[in-house]
Amino acid sequence: LAKTTQPISMDSYEGQEVNITCSHNNIATNDYITWYQQFPSQGPRFIIQGYKTKVTNEVASLFIPADRKSSTLSLPRVSLSDTAVYYCLVGLNAGNMLTFGGGTRLMVKP
Amino acid sequence: DAGVIQSPRHEVTEMGQEVTLRCKPISGHNSLFWYRQTMMRGLELLIYFNNNVPIDDSGMPEDRFSAKMPNASFSTLKIQPSEPRDSAVYFCASRSGAVKSNQPQHFGDGTRLSIL
Repeated sequence: LAKTTQPISMDSYEGQEVNITCSHNNIATNDYITWYQQFPSQGPRFIIQGYKTKVTNEVASLFIPADRKSSTLSLPRVSLSDTAVYYCLVGLNAGNMLTFGGGTRLMVKP
Repeated sequence: DAGVIQSPRHEVTEMGQEVTLRCKPISGHNSLFWYRQTMMRGLELLIYFNNNVPIDDSGMPEDRFSAKMPNASFSTLKIQPSEPRDSAVYFCASRSGAVKSNQPQHFGDGTRLSIL
């Protein structure tokens, strides 16, 4: 079970780019890297997933170096509504092979 | 498209009472997960079903907790008898794919349970 380490909290301002890095030194060959976003009183919401290199969708980008021991979620031009907890998960979506860590609490300020 | 639907959204009951939480997964999804979230322990996986069969229930805290999935469109999580330490937000999630799949999970908005 790959353990992840990410910052507990981050602050940013509206319009800035935010990069949240997650460390996963013992990632396995078959593991994918998935990021979720959670707002208060809501369930986690899937943001992006990748295996290697770079993945981009309409919400975010995910950068994964060649050794795959870390990954960086990039949120372009954040707004106040991006204030949330962001979770990095490593593994296949199978039972307890997918464990949510403490997440990163992002606060976007005006 | 309808997402994962959980009911009730809020439940307040006295200790010792039976509590039943309900979940309707997204149509076509064949895997269903029950989680519990607290400030102290974060998000914990309780049990995971694939094709209505429990695959991993190692996260179920004790015998007071039980979960069923009688068909592909409905699951229940039952606590009997309930205790104050069971107070938490309970989430249900579903996804498509095999037991080990990279398909992302889709979460409901949870049931906030308070045991007095």
